[in-house]
Amino acid sequence: KAGVTQTPRYLIKTRGQQVTLSCSPISGHRSVSWYQQTPGQGLQFLFEYFSETQRNKGNFPGRFSGRQFSNSRSEMNVSTLELGDSALYLCASSDYRGGTEAFFGQGTRLTVV
Amino acid sequence: SQQGEEDPQALSIQEGENATMNCSYKTSINNLQWYRQNSGRGLVHLILIRSNEREKHSGRLRVTLDTSKKSSSLLITASRAADTASYFCATEGTGANNLFFGTGTRLTVIP
Repeated sequence: KAGVTQTPRYLIKTRGQQVTLSCSPISGHRSVSWYQQTPGQGLQFLFEYFSETQRNKGNFPGRFSGRQFSNSRSEMNVSTLELGDSALYLCASSDYRGGTEAFFGQGTRLTVV
Repeated sequence: SQQGEEDPQALSIQEGENATMNCSYKTSINNLQWYRQNSGRGLVHLILIRSNEREKHSGRLRVTLDTSKKSSSLLITASRAADTASYFCATEGTGANNLFFGTGTRLTVIP
């Protein structure tokens, strides 16, 4: 079956703009999580959605938001971009149970200039 | 922060040698998982060990877990050049379905 698909793969934005990233999970997976990876902070958990509801949220400012649709596809939005938001954003899907492996997409590389 | 620490940060070995990476974490966990990442791409799941397990094997991988010390180790035996990657441990806490990742170990296997 198809893996986790993230679009776009690369993105360049200007400070102050906003951006929307998309993630299509593996068919049948209802949990989608988002992570930010930077050289300085490593992999940081942003939020997790399950059945269109945000179940968990990491320690990120309100500029970072997300949503999940009825088909489990998820989007994350970052408003008022800052240079420090430049990162690889990774999406992971898993089935509804905890304690199982997460399947990651290839990520979206966001560069803020 | 609930992020774990990995040790060493970087490891360089010859092909055929064994590689050992260590992970320490801070909170109670449901399970601990190891992932591999090639050059800024997505992460690939390697192995999951539950909190009530002490050791697990998968092919050339051996993982141990010591919940009393809040630590885990990943052993890759008979390493290959293709094993060159970054390796991360990730913990799933109790009552949560998200992962807290360690800082990663950059493994280089020299042919």
